[in-house]
Amino acid sequence: DGGITQSPKYLFRKEGQNVTLSCEQNLNHDAMYWYRQDPGQGLRLIYYSQIVNDFQKGDIAEGYSVSREKKESFPLTVTSAQKNPTAFYLCASSVSSYEQYFGPGTRLTVT
Amino acid sequence: AQSVTQPDIHITVSEGASLELRCNYSYGATPYLFWYVQSPGQGLQLLLKYFSGDTLVQGIKGFEAEFKRSQSSFNLRKPSVHWSDAAEYFCAVGRTNTGNQFYFGTGTSLTVIP
Repeated sequence: DGGITQSPKYLFRKEGQNVTLSCEQNLNHDAMYWYRQDPGQGLRLIYYSQIVNDFQKGDIAEGYSVSREKKESFPLTVTSAQKNPTAFYLCASSVSSYEQYFGPGTRLTVT
Repeated sequence: AQSVTQPDIHITVSEGASLELRCNYSYGATPYLFWYVQSPGQGLQLLLKYFSGDTLVQGIKGFEAEFKRSQSSFNLRKPSVHWSDAAEYFCAVGRTNTGNQFYFGTGTSLTVIP
């Protein structure tokens, strides 16, 4: 089955630690995205990548980093510089501006 | 700036009643338009999409949406709501001239009462 996988579903970290969220797709899509979702705020774009080895900052990139070494993978690192990292993180992929396909999400809790 | 507005934060309807969720967008040309649904703790699932052509589009789960250029709207409708439709609904706009970015509304939470 084609789709997007995110792991783990739940992630717990101590404040001050970096943490990497996994996103893998087997849809052969060129573009991949990371969103953050907080209650009442919809989806906010963190980073996106249109091709391998290239990515752009979204609206809330501060405190986050990404890499795109393979077409299938777009991991997101939440660094200790992110002031309020506890949130639900969604990964998506697309072909151009046609519909995005979303993964199941990772809920990150930092205490 | 481009934006997507969903004016209703929360809507409650009775099971079997009709539903309309509002979406307005700000964009200079005809954008690609989408409606997604999200169950608690899950990812987003595409309900329907509009790229061009017939302004009334049909989607999954009995949903439809109508693109009205004059009103910059893309409202989602369902003639008879089922309890399983309770979820969060997001309207989105896709563009190509800014690197394939998508813009999402803040969502409308739907509660269905028996």
